[in-house]
Amino acid sequence: GNSVTQMEGPVTLSEEAFLTINCTYTATGYPSLFWYVQYPGEGLQLLLKATKADDKGSNKGFEATYRKETTSFHLEKGSVQVSDSAVYFCALRSYNYGQNFVFGPGTRLSVLP
Amino acid sequence: EAQVTQNPRYLITVTGKKLTVTCSQNMNHEYMSWYRQDPGLGLRQIYYSMNVEVTDKGDVPEGYKVSRKEKRNFPLILESPSPNQTSLYFCASSSSKATEAFFGQGTRLTVV
Repeated sequence: GNSVTQMEGPVTLSEEAFLTINCTYTATGYPSLFWYVQYPGEGLQLLLKATKADDKGSNKGFEATYRKETTSFHLEKGSVQVSDSAVYFCALRSYNYGQNFVFGPGTRLSVLP
Repeated sequence: EAQVTQNPRYLITVTGKKLTVTCSQNMNHEYMSWYRQDPGLGLRQIYYSMNVEVTDKGDVPEGYKVSRKEKRNFPLILESPSPNQTSLYFCASSSSKATEAFFGQGTRLTVV
């Protein structure tokens, strides 16, 4: 079946550091890929998405590129802020697998001033 | 405003007392799903529904029931709650044509 693996946290960075959170997937067909963010005490919000190979999703300074050859969708940000502290979830939706969503375990990011 | 609404946001109940958590979306979405979130375990899917009268088990369906009689509503039913169902619950919906899922604000359930 389909699955998503992402790096275990927690990740602790200083403000203005470079962020990478790794995400790899296993899926049949050509899934759509997502990063969701969950701020403390809130629900999940879509951060960015990519629907086909080589697409780059971007939002709020975050970027991720859909790499079919490596089945990866790593999240990056060049300079993190304290306000980026949250839990980040990588996810996929495969139309060859009943259109259901599959989420990774989440990575908690803490950014220190 | 497009949204997924869960009620209640917070609930404390006793073991064995049946409860229902409601979920409603106003976007005419076909897909709806329930997740629970526990520390260290990420998001685990309980049940999902691809359309009215179509529901399927997720990863952790034991102890839960759902129904999808109308497109906009997808209630989660705990017929005999137990303390191990204490968790943070999220409902989500999506269109079959769009790609991303939209999440509710969550329901924090405590079973004592």
